[in-house]
Amino acid sequence: KAGVTQTPRYLIKTRGQQVTLSCSPISGHRSVSWYQQTPGQGLQFLFEYFSETQRNKGNFPGRFSGRQFSNSRSEMNVSTLELGDSALYLCASSNKGGEEQFFGPGTRLTVL
Amino acid sequence: SQQGEEDPQALSIQEGENATMNCSYKTSINNLQWYRQNSGRGLVHLILIRSNEREKHSGRLRVTLDTSKKSSSLLITASRAADTASYFCATSGGSYIPTFGRGTSLIVHP
Repeated sequence: KAGVTQTPRYLIKTRGQQVTLSCSPISGHRSVSWYQQTPGQGLQFLFEYFSETQRNKGNFPGRFSGRQFSNSRSEMNVSTLELGDSALYLCASSNKGGEEQFFGPGTRLTVL
Repeated sequence: SQQGEEDPQALSIQEGENATMNCSYKTSINNLQWYRQNSGRGLVHLILIRSNEREKHSGRLRVTLDTSKKSSSLLITASRAADTASYFCATSGGSYIPTFGRGTSLIVHP
């Protein structure tokens, strides 16, 4: 099976812009989670989608949003980018919540 | 806030030695998982141990779980240079969303 793919791998934006990141889970996986990883805060959970519904949400402002499509592919959007949004954004898919997650390679976002 | 906290933050050893890293957590869990991350890349799942299990093995990895102490340890035996990475524990409770610690950075010198 193909692994989790994320596009783009690298992104450079300026403050105030918005960005959309994409994640394709492993075939058959219905749960997709998003994480933000920074040196200061570590790995922080953003949200989880299951069958097109947001099932869990982390403690992030409303500028961070996401969605999941009927084929389980997911996108996350960050509006009005801030310098502090510079991070590695990781997507993970799983068969079952709370169990083994399969991570993509991440999207490295730099906000200038 | 982070649930699991790994200790030590950094570990430097020679190839062939064993590496032990610990994870402590605060609330009750359904399971605890260990992941590895090579520099700035995605995480790779290593092992999952459920709250009713005390020890699990996978190749050169041995994980223990002590729910009374709310702690877990990951032992990598006969370390190799390729084991150089950051290691994270992730705990799952009622919400089933794994919560990650800040990780242990392991360097194995050839």
